[in-house]
Amino acid sequence: GDSVTQMEGPVTLSEEACLTINCTYTATGYPSLFWYVQYPGEGLQLLLKATKADDKGSNKGFEATYRKETTSFHLEKGSVQVSDSAVYFCALNSGGSNYKLTFGKGTLLTVNP
Amino acid sequence: NAGVTQTPKFQVLKTGQSMTLQCAQDMNHEYMSWYRQDPGMGLRLIHYSVGAGITDQGEVPNGYNVSRSTTEDFPLRLLSAAPSQTSVYFCASTGGGSIEQYFGPGTRLTVT
Repeated sequence: GDSVTQMEGPVTLSEEACLTINCTYTATGYPSLFWYVQYPGEGLQLLLKATKADDKGSNKGFEATYRKETTSFHLEKGSVQVSDSAVYFCALNSGGSNYKLTFGKGTLLTVNP
Repeated sequence: NAGVTQTPKFQVLKTGQSMTLQCAQDMNHEYMSWYRQDPGMGLRLIHYSVGAGITDQGEVPNGYNVSRSTTEDFPLRLLSAAPSQTSVYFCASTGGGSIEQYFGPGTRLTVT
């Protein structure tokens, strides 16, 4: 079945440092790929998405590129802020169904001032 | 427009008790899903619905029942709670051609 493997962390960075959270996937067909973010005490919010190979999703300074050849969707940000502290989840829509997401285990990011 | 709402926010049950977690959305979405979040496990799909009257099992359905009598509501029932069901439960919805799932704020359930 479909699966997502992401860097588990926790990751601790200083403000303005560069961030990369690795994500690789296994899926049949051509899934869409997502990064969701969960701030403390809240539900999940979509951060960015990509629907086909070589698409780049971007939002709030974060970027990720859909790499079919390496089955990867790594999350990057050039300069993190304290407000980016959260748990980040990589996900794909299983079988192309938008209502069935397969998630990675999540990566806790803490950014210190 | 409240989005996806869940009640209660917190619940403590004793082993063997039953309860229903409520989920409602006001976006007229046809698809709704329930996930559970456990430490180090990410989110796992419990049940989902593709429309009123239509439900199906996800990855971890055992111990849970669902029904969908209206587009808006998708309750999750625990018939006989077990400590293994201690978790945070999230309801989500999507529809209208969007690929984004909208999540509720979650219900934190503890079974003792």
